[in-house]
Amino acid sequence: GENVEQHPSTLSVQEGDSAVIKCTYSDSASNYFPWYKQELGKRPQLIIDIRSNVGEKKDQRIAVTLNKTAKHFSLHITETQPEDSAVYFCAASRSGANSKLTFGKGITLSVRP
Amino acid sequence: NAGVTQTPKFRVLKTGQSMTLLCAQDMNHEYMYWYRQDPGMGLRLIHYSVGEGTTAKGEVPDGYNVSRLKKQNFLLGLESAAPSQTSVYFCASRLMWDQPQHFGDGTRLSIL
Repeated sequence: GENVEQHPSTLSVQEGDSAVIKCTYSDSASNYFPWYKQELGKRPQLIIDIRSNVGEKKDQRIAVTLNKTAKHFSLHITETQPEDSAVYFCAASRSGANSKLTFGKGITLSVRP
Repeated sequence: NAGVTQTPKFRVLKTGQSMTLLCAQDMNHEYMYWYRQDPGMGLRLIHYSVGEGTTAKGEVPDGYNVSRLKKQNFLLGLESAAPSQTSVYFCASRLMWDQPQHFGDGTRLSIL
C-alpha cells in the first residue's frame, strides 16, 4: 500500500519568513495530493490540493509543487504569520471508487512573532 | 448546511462496554470515512464506505464495526471497548475520489 512520509517533524520559523514542508510518497499510481491544516483541538481542514496533471498550484500565500518523478510534493507558505502555527498533514491517493487517502504523520509548524 | 456532524463530542467508557459513534453529513456525499488520531501517528483509517450499504476495512479495523444503512449516516461501533481504543475519532466525507474530504469536529473517547 501507499506510504506517505513528512519531513521534518517540526519546523520553527520567524514571522514573515517562508516555510517549506516536504512529503514523499511510495505509490507511483497516486494522483491526488491534498494538504490539511489542523489547529489545536480542531478538525483538519483542507488548505490546498493538487492533481498529478499539474506541477504547481498557488492560492495567495500558499503553494504546492509536485515532482512525480521523484515522488515528492511540497507545501510552501510565504510571509508566515502566527496564525499559520498548526499541524500540517499531507496525503496521497489513487483514483477510483475504492481510493482512500493515506496521511503522513504531520508536521508541527511554529511561527515565532 | 451543517457539513459533517459527529456525536457525541466526548465520552468516557469502562473496559468492555460498547458504544456507537454517529457521523451525519448533509452534503449528499457518496464516500465516508472513520479515522482515529493518536499523538505522533497522524490520521489512520479504520473503515470507510463508498456508498449507501457498502463498507470496507481500512488500516486499523480490528475491534471496530461500521454500518451505512442511509447515505447520510455512517456509524462506528465498539463492541467491547479496550484502553488501546482511547483516541480522538474523526469522521470525514467527500463527493468523489479526487474531491476534498470534509471532517467533523471529532469525538474524544477515553476508555478506562
